[in-house]
Amino acid sequence: AQSVSQHNHHVILSEAASLELGCNYSYGGTVNLFWYVQYPGQHLQLLLKYFSGDPLVKGIKGFEAEFIKSKFSFNLRKPSVQWSDTAEYFCAVNADGSQGNLIFGKGTKLSVKP
Amino acid sequence: DTAVSQTPKYLVTQMGNDKSIKCEQNLGHDTMYWYKQDSKKFLKIMFSYNNKELIINETVPNRFSPKSPDKAHLNLHINSLELGDSAVYFCASSRQLLAGVTDTQYFGPGTRLTVL
Repeated sequence: AQSVSQHNHHVILSEAASLELGCNYSYGGTVNLFWYVQYPGQHLQLLLKYFSGDPLVKGIKGFEAEFIKSKFSFNLRKPSVQWSDTAEYFCAVNADGSQGNLIFGKGTKLSVKP
Repeated sequence: DTAVSQTPKYLVTQMGNDKSIKCEQNLGHDTMYWYKQDSKKFLKIMFSYNNKELIINETVPNRFSPKSPDKAHLNLHINSLELGDSAVYFCASSRQLLAGVTDTQYFGPGTRLTVL
């Protein structure tokens, strides 16, 4: 069965620090990869996605992620975080042929200190 | 314009009651989903419908019954509510790209269900 692992449960950073959130998945076939963000009390919003092509994808708000197929990873990065990035971040995977069954990681809570 | 909307936003009810949550999308998508987010923020798919046809039905108690009157709506009816049903329920929708392949899922604002 597919699964998604997010290594960090809670990350605390100061403003302007760099961010990297880890995500690994287990599935041998073709996958589509996503990062969603959930700000406090709000719904999930798409940050970025990878379907095919350039493995380095850029998303909204200065986020980017790199798909490394050999490592089954899709880590999220941002060079300089802001207080407004405080949120829960979810990595998700959807295998081709899965009819849209999106498997989520358990989420990483990011707290940015002003 | 709201792309994926859900009503109600909050639902507080007693154990044993029956309740419904409604979801509507105005994106013209073919596929709609229900997810449950538990108290630890873990998200898990419950159901998906494609053009009003049930596609995914994860291991969910049969007290939960989705209903899709048309492809823009997917409602969730829950019978005999239990304490463990307390969670946030998210509706989502996406476009079908190919058979078995869907595009990005867009989520609604969620319905926080509290069972007392």
